[in-house]
Amino acid sequence: LAKTTQPISMDSYEGQEVNITCSHNNIATNDYITWYQQFPSQGPRFIIQGYKTKVTNEVASLFIPADRKSSTLSLPRVSLSDTAVYYCLVGTPGSARQLTFGSGTQLTVLP
Amino acid sequence: DADVTQTPRNRITKTGKRIMLECSQTKGHDRMYWYRQDPGLGLRLIYYSFDVKDINKGEISDGYSVSRQAQAKFSLSLESAIPNQTALYFCATGTSGTYNEQFFGPGTRLTVL
Repeated sequence: LAKTTQPISMDSYEGQEVNITCSHNNIATNDYITWYQQFPSQGPRFIIQGYKTKVTNEVASLFIPADRKSSTLSLPRVSLSDTAVYYCLVGTPGSARQLTFGSGTQLTVLP
Repeated sequence: DADVTQTPRNRITKTGKRIMLECSQTKGHDRMYWYRQDPGLGLRLIYYSFDVKDINKGEISDGYSVSRQAQAKFSLSLESAIPNQTALYFCATGTSGTYNEQFFGPGTRLTVL
């Protein structure tokens, strides 16, 4: 199973770029990497998904090295409202493994 | 209106009672999921369904059952509630065409006394 490992928590200041790295050493060939954001007492919200190299959307970028054993979620110029828990998920489409949330990373953005 | 709705939003019950949590969606998605979240922890998958005739156990299905009444409805039942089932329960939907993207409901906070 492609178990994921993330830092438990991170602090940042408003306006800074934040990079959260997820380790997934046993990632399988058909696995995709997906990141979710969760605010307290709310359901997680999809942020970004990728398979290799770099993916960028309006809120974040996802960097995946060639060996795909890790990935980095990059949040540009964070604000206080980006304080949340961020989850990295790895799995093959159609499998239960893609639905496995780890403990996530608590990001706290300070003024 | 919300695309994924859960009822009730809050429920307090007693040990041994049967409880049903309901989830409805208007997104037209084939796939539906039930998760629980305990304080300070990530989400754990209870059951998932890829279409009306498909039901699969997740990581922690013991003590729970589900019913997929229609494409839009997926209910979770606790046959005999116990205190360690006190948690926040989330329903989610997804399509086969959007691999890992799930859309979550607002959650049901369940307390078992």
